[in-house]
Amino acid sequence: DQQVKQNSPSLSVQEGRISILNCDYTNSMFDYFLWYKKYPAEGPTFLISISSIKDKNEDGRFTVFLNKSAKHLSLHIVPSQPGDSAVYFCAASPLTGGGNKLTFGTGTQLKVEL
Amino acid sequence: NAGVTQTPKFQVLKTGQSMTLQCAQDMNHEYMSWYRQDPGMGLRLIHYSVGAGITDQGEVPNGYNVSRSTTEDFPLRLLSAAPSQTSVYFCASSWGETANYGYTFGSGTRLTVV
Repeated sequence: DQQVKQNSPSLSVQEGRISILNCDYTNSMFDYFLWYKKYPAEGPTFLISISSIKDKNEDGRFTVFLNKSAKHLSLHIVPSQPGDSAVYFCAASPLTGGGNKLTFGTGTQLKVEL
Repeated sequence: NAGVTQTPKFQVLKTGQSMTLQCAQDMNHEYMSWYRQDPGMGLRLIHYSVGAGITDQGEVPNGYNVSRSTTEDFPLRLLSAAPSQTSVYFCASSWGETANYGYTFGSGTRLTVV
């Protein structure tokens, strides 16, 4: 039972355009959502997060949108750069009492082409 | 500041052998976790710890043991390796609950069981 789903295994975008990565979840106990970026042969690195009391959070070129009623979130990267080419993981957690129990999606491979 | 250090980076085991994957962090983080990453499965939580002397099971704990005798170290033991344990293993640490602080990941250990 995949509680966090990333239905697009890959995405290709031209440099300078917008990248939109999507994530759906099924567990209504999730209150906090995080995006991680992973390069080959490295560990994931934290990118941006959002709590369920917000519907948008921005950090530079990265914006995360949350639609709690639809149990859907998306990560927007504008403008996309070649260095953004990586695997992006969506993760979710209860806000409190979740300890370390992040639930991850299966990842989306983003390729930003020149 | 080394962050989260995992050793070894690569390991090949024969079925039935035992080994310990090492994880150390120098950030004085209370929370530590072990995840495994398999193709098409995302990252799945094996075991976690919320402080020295305290450990608990995650989503896929069978075949693995952990202990947390110090804040810095969180080794993962495979008691009798099986081919199903072929995976990439990531150790991670956090100041507190990951919903608030996110994780810092190590660079991973790629384990093959033959």
